[in-house]
Amino acid sequence: QKEVEQNSGPLSVPEGAIASLNCTYSDRGSQSFFWYRQYSGKSPELIMSIYSNGDKEDGRFTAQLNKASQYVSLLIRDSQPSDSATYLCAVNERPYGGGSNYKLTFGKGTLLTVNP
Amino acid sequence: GAGVSQSPSNKVTEKGKDVELRCDPISGHTALYWYRQSLGQGLEFLIYFQGNSAPDKSGLPSDRFSAERTGGSVSTLTIQRTQQEDSAVYLCASTHQRGGRETQYFGPGTRLLVL
Repeated sequence: QKEVEQNSGPLSVPEGAIASLNCTYSDRGSQSFFWYRQYSGKSPELIMSIYSNGDKEDGRFTAQLNKASQYVSLLIRDSQPSDSATYLCAVNERPYGGGSNYKLTFGKGTLLTVNP
Repeated sequence: GAGVSQSPSNKVTEKGKDVELRCDPISGHTALYWYRQSLGQGLEFLIYFQGNSAPDKSGLPSDRFSAERTGGSVSTLTIQRTQQEDSAVYLCASTHQRGGRETQYFGPGTRLLVL
């Protein structure tokens, strides 16, 4: 069974701090990795995608990928109260039983609270 | 339209009735997913359509649930003989895949309440 694991949290950080969100995945053949943000009562929205080992920065967000360790993380610098949301990790994994169509699998999400 | 649309946005029904939920994906997107999200819970995968391939129905919770995608575009999720535990937000997402990379966009969801 392909799995994407995240700590459910809640993760609480003070305003201005760095928030670090982590995700592990089970399928070594995974090629694409995503972070989504979901505010309460809203749909998930894509905030970062990463495909190669290393870091990818976009504004206050940095995604980090380590395929050897099957680990992807999201760092949020200078955290703001508006960053308070659930962060979902998603991994493009091969369908159970093989096949050529990769399927996006989500973790259960980590609730982040940024305290003013 | 520019994004994924879903209808209705809210649906209240009585236990035992059938409901149909509609998803209009972004034009040209080859893959379409249905998820269910209960209050305070994570996304529960239901079904996945990819091009002309047979759909991955592995997430459908019972035979009361079915979905189809007509002409590779619009999709309908049908729940027969609804139960109170079917109450949730049903989310549709469409995905553009190119060169092994893809981007998935979610619709606003349909909030289903079964009384």
